[in-house]
Amino acid sequence: NAGVTQTPKFRVLKTGQSMTLLCAQDMNHEYMYWYRQDPGMGLRLIHYSVGEGTTAKGEVPDGYNVSRLKKQNFLLGLESAAPSQTSVYFCASSYGVNEQFFGPGTRLTVL
Amino acid sequence: AQTVTQSQPEMSVQEAETVTLSCTYDTSESDYYLFWYKQPPSRQMILVIRQEAYKQQNATENRFSVNFQKAAKSFSLKISDSQLGDAAMYFCAYRSADSNYQLIWGAGTKLIIKP
Repeated sequence: NAGVTQTPKFRVLKTGQSMTLLCAQDMNHEYMYWYRQDPGMGLRLIHYSVGEGTTAKGEVPDGYNVSRLKKQNFLLGLESAAPSQTSVYFCASSYGVNEQFFGPGTRLTVL
Repeated sequence: AQTVTQSQPEMSVQEAETVTLSCTYDTSESDYYLFWYKQPPSRQMILVIRQEAYKQQNATENRFSVNFQKAAKSFSLKISDSQLGDAAMYFCAYRSADSNYQLIWGAGTKLIIKP
């Protein structure tokens, strides 16, 4: 049981480049989330999904897109990366109202 | 909108002693959940303890316990017999009981354990 995994762990992009972060969970959770964590701040929700094929905007969705084509996967896309998107990105999943389980994070640097 | 405030950016405690981390929140809701998460240097976010607002009894998990004061909107974490492995960032989080399921996070408190 791997829990929540994220790919890649580290990435460096140039301004304007695109990339996709992959989150996978093997706990059959309905709910999945993408957060970003910046220094001196708590996690902020980017997008979330309450089931396969559904997504919704969180607190800071601009500049990001997501897809949930399969229940176990939640993809976060950056179409045109900006330095302001330099951050650590966390994926999480949960079964309804229960606790959220987090992945190990992806450290993204945009030059 | 709900907010969560952790007023202590950093705390330190001697190994084996007790430390309390503060958290206050603002909400107009009566039904919600509160959490303390630990983030060690490995970055993995780990749930430490959870409190349901409708429960009057304070949650405990081994050396970790909370002091939940609903009227004061306060949710502090007490760590007893502090160990070197407790060194981490600690985050307080709030979640409404409605269908949103989003967590609202505090800015975190860095806990340093002195040997």
